[in-house]
Amino acid sequence: EAGVAQSPRYKIIEKRQSVAFWCNPISGHATLYWYQQILGQGPKLLIQFQNNGVVDDSQLPKDRFSAERLKGVDSTLKIQPAKLEDSAVYLCASSLGLGNTDTQYFGPGTRLTVL
Amino acid sequence: AQSVTQLGSHVSVSEGALVLLRCNYSSSVPPYLFWYVQYPNQGLQLLLKYTSAATLVKGINGFEAEFKKSETSFHLTKPSAHMSDAAEYFCAVRDDYKLSFGAGTTVTVRA
Repeated sequence: EAGVAQSPRYKIIEKRQSVAFWCNPISGHATLYWYQQILGQGPKLLIQFQNNGVVDDSQLPKDRFSAERLKGVDSTLKIQPAKLEDSAVYLCASSLGLGNTDTQYFGPGTRLTVL
Repeated sequence: AQSVTQLGSHVSVSEGALVLLRCNYSSSVPPYLFWYVQYPNQGLQLLLKYTSAATLVKGINGFEAEFKKSETSFHLTKPSAHMSDAAEYFCAVRDDYKLSFGAGTTVTVRA
């Protein structure tokens, strides 16, 4: 079974530029998550989708971050404009559903460096 | 909101020695607890999870964790460390459909 795919793996941009990340979850997984992992910290949830609807985006900085999950499969996360403090690894994860015991499977992440 | 605290940001062990990673949770209701491992430049991989079925949970790669309600702890152990266990380990609690992670513990294994 294929895992969660993410691209690109690495991205370097200058502040005030825009950037987009792509995620393809495990086939059949209804729930998709985007996390931000700053160096030295644990992942922090940015947004959570159930199919193509948003379940939780309370920690997403909506003035600069946006995410969508068209057709309930692939998802994109965009940052516009980027700030220095956005330098982090952006992890995508998916799970079968919203159950508390449902395992979240993580992709390899996209490492963003903002100069 | 529920949270977890990992005690010790860095642990160094000798190959063959016991690995002990500490995690304490704050929860007023029975929690769902997880341990994940992250190897360099990779995503997180589930080691094990506690779902109230048994207090001693066995996971992959020889790891296990014991849920102790009286101590609000969910410490991760492995009897004998291997060089391949060098990684970062995260404890997490499921709260209202979200995973909240601890700050992580980096494990280094000395030959």
